[in-house]
Amino acid sequence: DADVTQTPRNRITKTGKRIMLECSQTKGHDRMYWYRQDPGLGLRLIYYSFDVKDINKGEISDGYSVSRQAQAKFSLSLESAIPNQTALYFCATSDPWQGETQYFGPGTRLLVL
Amino acid sequence: TQLLEQSPQFLSIQEGENLTVYCNSSSVFSSLQWYRQEPGEGPVLLVTVVTGGEVKKLKRLTFQFGDARKDSSLHITAAQPGDTGLYLCAGGGGSNYKLTFGKGTLLTVNP
Repeated sequence: DADVTQTPRNRITKTGKRIMLECSQTKGHDRMYWYRQDPGLGLRLIYYSFDVKDINKGEISDGYSVSRQAQAKFSLSLESAIPNQTALYFCATSDPWQGETQYFGPGTRLLVL
Repeated sequence: TQLLEQSPQFLSIQEGENLTVYCNSSSVFSSLQWYRQEPGEGPVLLVTVVTGGEVKKLKRLTFQFGDARKDSSLHITAAQPGDTGLYLCAGGGGSNYKLTFGKGTLLTVNP
């Protein structure tokens, strides 16, 4: 079984809709991250959380919100989706005792029409 | 803001050829990681280098961290189709243990 899972794997939605992407992990890591990946732009950090009570904005947080429901769960919401949020979204985890290595989920491919 | 520039952005070679991918910055990093991402999957860590001048080998892959810890390279010897993927470098040591990712090098190895 995968250590970091993301649901859904693919999603098509319409402009203005609210959607939630979910991430679960069984690695027992406190730190979790949400990234988006666009061709030619690499991975950009949206939000990160170092524990259940700690949420921080990344470099591109506008238009997104997150919820850390438990150590193992970190959800990303698009309050009102727009076409330029079409991208591949990744969740990742890390453990400071293991250095800075991040463990990624398989990604969610989102298309906003 | 720390930035990592990777080159080349795209690389298409024949099986058996050698190649080098570069990752450069004007900033100093405490560590440099290389990830490989295959289609439909998330990035997976290949190696972490932490000491200036450090060289690590992973089978046919050789990773080097620059003496000043501002740059790194990945050299693949006798590339195989299974090496095809997106190679990402990531610098560590920034605020709050966030990683700074390069934009990636998309490698295609043709049989």
